[in-house]
Amino acid sequence: DTAVSQTPKYLVTQMGNDKSIKCEQNLGHDTMYWYKQDSKKFLKIMFSYNNKELIINETVPNRFSPKSPDKAHLNLHINSLELGDSAVYFCASSQRHTDQPQHFGDGTRLSIL
Amino acid sequence: QKEVEQNSGPLSVPEGAIASLNCTYSDRGSQSFFWYRQYSGKSPELIMFIYSNGDKEDGRFTAQLNKASQYVSLLIRDSQPSDSATYLCAVNGGNNRLAFGKGNQVVVIP
Repeated sequence: DTAVSQTPKYLVTQMGNDKSIKCEQNLGHDTMYWYKQDSKKFLKIMFSYNNKELIINETVPNRFSPKSPDKAHLNLHINSLELGDSAVYFCASSQRHTDQPQHFGDGTRLSIL
Repeated sequence: QKEVEQNSGPLSVPEGAIASLNCTYSDRGSQSFFWYRQYSGKSPELIMFIYSNGDKEDGRFTAQLNKASQYVSLLIRDSQPSDSATYLCAVNGGNNRLAFGKGNQVVVIP
């Protein structure tokens, strides 16, 4: 049973398009996150939701919009994709916020042509 | 100053030896510390976490905290080729954010 699952695993698209990545966790956690890992492998927080409420919104272009329909799901929609958006996007979840370990999904590799 | 720093370059260790990794953190109020292992092309996998109340040993892994000097270390005993990966240190920054270091690559040489 996959604990944190993301779809799709790979996303190849053209500049200017709009795309979404979905994430679901079956761990019963109440907090979910989106991270971006760039080509230098640096992992950076983008957003965090606790019980469907946005609690972290880092300095991310407003082309990125997260949505949490319930505490087991956190989706990421990206408008007007740019070359610099190419990265691996990881979803993660934890029980409570920050002081508990986060468990990561397998990642979505986004490539912009 | 970066929140979490892992400055060592790639670490090569012979099989069976001890691999030692350090990371320093800037927020003195940090209370929880995590070590993740990431194989190339894979997601980060939690291997150890400790809180500010003490060190922890789990099998071949030991995580140690030095609060006075603000660094946390990870020791891997009896290193195996399967330990070859990038190890990410993460620290609860006290501002509701988990800050990650850029990682240290470990190569275990058979």
